[in-house]
Amino acid sequence: GIQVEQSPPDLILQEGANSTLRCNFSDSVNNLQWFHQNPWGQLINLFYIPSGTKQNGRLSATTVATERYSLLYISSSQTTDSGVYFCAVVPYNTDKLIFGTGTRLQVFP
Amino acid sequence: EPEVTQTPSHQVTQMGQEVILRCVPISNHLYFYWYRQILGQKVEFLVSFYNNEISEKSEIFDDQFSVERPDGSNFTLKIRSTKLEDSAMYFCASSEAGWLGAFFGQGTRLTVV
Repeated sequence: GIQVEQSPPDLILQEGANSTLRCNFSDSVNNLQWFHQNPWGQLINLFYIPSGTKQNGRLSATTVATERYSLLYISSSQTTDSGVYFCAVVPYNTDKLIFGTGTRLQVFP
Repeated sequence: EPEVTQTPSHQVTQMGQEVILRCVPISNHLYFYWYRQILGQKVEFLVSFYNNEISEKSEIFDDQFSVERPDGSNFTLKIRSTKLEDSAMYFCASSEAGWLGAFFGQGTRLTVV
């Protein structure tokens, strides 16, 4: 089945720093989502982004479907950005999401 | 904004007991899912449900598990005889069309003691 790998696995930042999280996937996909899992365990949807670039405030995401990767950019990070970031893909010919391995982000004041 | 709601938020049960986790998907959605996340690990697909039947299930979803849509609004996951290794966060999700991706509920944290 499809493999979804994220890097780096862990990231520690000081408040105000910028970061880039990467998601690589091994096969073609219908869609890709980025999620933030907060300290209470909730999965917050950040982006639906099968291709192209989207921005929402300090966050933006780019997916290059032909090269099978997606990037999540966090600018001017805040302590509330801490948590685990997951990408998840919907492979062709399925209707389910396959989650990546996650990036754990810690932002310190 | 429409949302997926799950109850209860936490459940503690004794090994061997049956549990039912409940979900109310977004009203116009047609695809329903259950996912599981063991503490510190990634989110794993359990089962998808469309047109009143299971459309796909993972190898985790064995005979101990079942899903039901008993009425027009609820979607349930039953674990018949819980084991210690069933302790996890269980997420319900729904989608208008499976390939679009999904909205997730806030999760039910199940602890088996």
